[in-house]
Amino acid sequence: QKEVEQNSGPLSVPEGAIASLNCTYSDRGSQSFFWYRQYSGKSPELIMFIYSNGDKEDGRFTAQLNKASQYVSLLIRDSQPSDSATYLCAVSTSNTGKLIFGQGTTLQVKP
Amino acid sequence: NAGVTQTPKFQVLKTGQSMTLQCAQDMNHNSMYWYRQDPGMGLRLIYYSASEGTTDKGEVPNGYNVSRLNKREFSLRLESAAPSQTSVYFCASSERDTVPQYFGPGTRLLVL
Repeated sequence: QKEVEQNSGPLSVPEGAIASLNCTYSDRGSQSFFWYRQYSGKSPELIMFIYSNGDKEDGRFTAQLNKASQYVSLLIRDSQPSDSATYLCAVSTSNTGKLIFGQGTTLQVKP
Repeated sequence: NAGVTQTPKFQVLKTGQSMTLQCAQDMNHNSMYWYRQDPGMGLRLIYYSASEGTTDKGEVPNGYNVSRLNKREFSLRLESAAPSQTSVYFCASSERDTVPQYFGPGTRLLVL
């Protein structure tokens, strides 16, 4: 089992819709969770982080964490074509604190 | 603030050649990291430095060496490049473990 799993996609949503990106992790002791956005040919850019169970909102983005289910998600409301990118989920390991990245989900927002 | 900077942006090497990738950060971060990103493999940690003067191996350290020159700079050296080291290399920094990391623009390396 991979330590951090994401559906590679592509996930296609129409402009203005809600995009839901999901991530599961295997290390039950993980404490920190991150979402990065990566445009083609560019470096990962941090968009959200969450440490506690529940929801965390920042503008059009909401991160949701459920440690019991070992599941973290990212919701993007009012999706725009400029949101089209690969979204990387990263989880800190309980033993070293280093980040383990999922392989990313490609999101396509169609006008 | 420039954040995290990397040089060069792009490099072509022949098998067996050596080179050093440079990374610098101006955020006064303690921890610095080197990753490689390959299609279908995601980001994999090569080496990291938790603080000035310390370095440790990550998931894929073979064929690489690192130097934490000072708090700002962390370099990655390929002593004898191999085609398997063709990849995009990212440097990142953070205040410490478990908090957000911030990435540089990357170096695209092609080994022929």
